[in-house]
Amino acid sequence: EVQLVESGGGLVQPGGSLRLSCAASGFTFSPNWMHWVRQAPGKGLVWVAHIISDGSRTNYADSVKGRFTISRDNAKNTLYLQMNSLTAEDTAVYYCVRDRGYSFAWWGQGTLITVSS
Amino acid sequence: QSALTQPPSASGSPTQSVTISCTGTSSDVGAYNYVSWYQQYPGKAPKLMIYEVSKRPSGVPDRFSGSKSGNTASLTVSGLQAEDEADYYCSSYAGSNNWVFGGGTKLTVL
Repeated sequence: EVQLVESGGGLVQPGGSLRLSCAASGFTFSPNWMHWVRQAPGKGLVWVAHIISDGSRTNYADSVKGRFTISRDNAKNTLYLQMNSLTAEDTAVYYCVRDRGYSFAWWGQGTLITVSS
Repeated sequence: QSALTQPPSASGSPTQSVTISCTGTSSDVGAYNYVSWYQQYPGKAPKLMIYEVSKRPSGVPDRFSGSKSGNTASLTVSGLQAEDEADYYCSSYAGSNNWVFGGGTKLTVL
């Protein structure tokens, strides 16, 4: 069974940093593209970042470009999202998602990030 | 990276059919057959219901179907059941390793 378990969420002050982790199990992690998708409270889904299987190519939504970094450790079956210069607009549940054919096929349970002083 | 356009709400009575639209542009929905649909219950993670415009993952009832015409994709739920009441989101690949979601549609079963 595919499992994606996010961790690292919590309360952070504006301007602060946080690193999310996503532990993958139940499938072979290394060949798969991965994404982060977020959802602000009461709002819709927003694609945040994408990384290809070997980590050599990444891409970001304009709203996080230059502040967030997606990375992966295939030896540890783990996906990461380093988030810097956080603002209140980054407050959301962040989901780790496994790609299949350009769709968001398997989702973690999400981890809540709250940016507030 | 503008969001795809979905109606905020849709509704239907049990056993009826309802269709939710998802309008993009010639750079996303119109350019690729990589439109997907997601069902989300309150407080839960989304679930993939349709991928590549009209394909259903294993375990998704065949009451759910997808289609696309030009820059607009559609999700049709036939034979509505109470358990279908949820939020539905569309998504499309937008090229150059970018993706975009719709704003979501709240489906109410009357």
